[in-house]
Amino acid sequence: DAKTTQPNSMESNEEEPVHLPCNHSTISGTDYIHWYRQLPSQGPEYVIHGLTSNVNNRMASLAIAEDRKSSTLILHRATLRDAAVYYCILRDSGGSNYKLTFGKGTLLTVNP
Amino acid sequence: DTEVTQTPKHLVMGMTNKKSLKCEQHMGHRAMYWYKQKAKKPPELMFVYSYEKLSINESVPSRFSPECPNSSLLNLHLHALQPEDSALYLCASSLPGASTSHEQFFGPGTRLTVL
Repeated sequence: DAKTTQPNSMESNEEEPVHLPCNHSTISGTDYIHWYRQLPSQGPEYVIHGLTSNVNNRMASLAIAEDRKSSTLILHRATLRDAAVYYCILRDSGGSNYKLTFGKGTLLTVNP
Repeated sequence: DTEVTQTPKHLVMGMTNKKSLKCEQHMGHRAMYWYKQKAKKPPELMFVYSYEKLSINESVPSRFSPECPNSSLLNLHLHALQPEDSALYLCASSLPGASTSHEQFFGPGTRLTVL
């Protein structure tokens, strides 16, 4: 799987938007961009994924750059419950697509 | 039911013990996974089962022995572990097949300590 680069940590205030960046300059045309998060003392949970177009769901939005070399996970109004490690992962649509290869992720702190 | 359950929550074992971790899901998922997560590190894939057959072994030492007795259950048998095997062991499940949209559902993990 291609590699991703994320900031080690970010801080936000409650009820403000949060933009979590991810660089994936070596992304291939068949790689999907997935985001998972891991709350303290829990297993990871799926957040959102996309290929080329921006995506929205009830948890977040995913903005994908036109050249696909970067993406941004957007939490529209952060809550204390959103404090977690956020992982940006590339998954190839072919080959061993079962695999999730986690990078180091971004630790998001949300201040009250 | 969109839950993956894991037992036990915590396990302490000696290096000569034999123990097993258990994982269960009732979502009809036919792909199941074991991950290992050391403190302050990301999860690392260990094994993947697809339709109850082992499809990926990420060069895991033989002291870890996975088993998938049926489509809902996944076990990880532990024998002669080392202290460096102490970690959080996570189980996950997903729909199998070629679609990369198939999200993985994770359990809360078993916190293992090897003395």
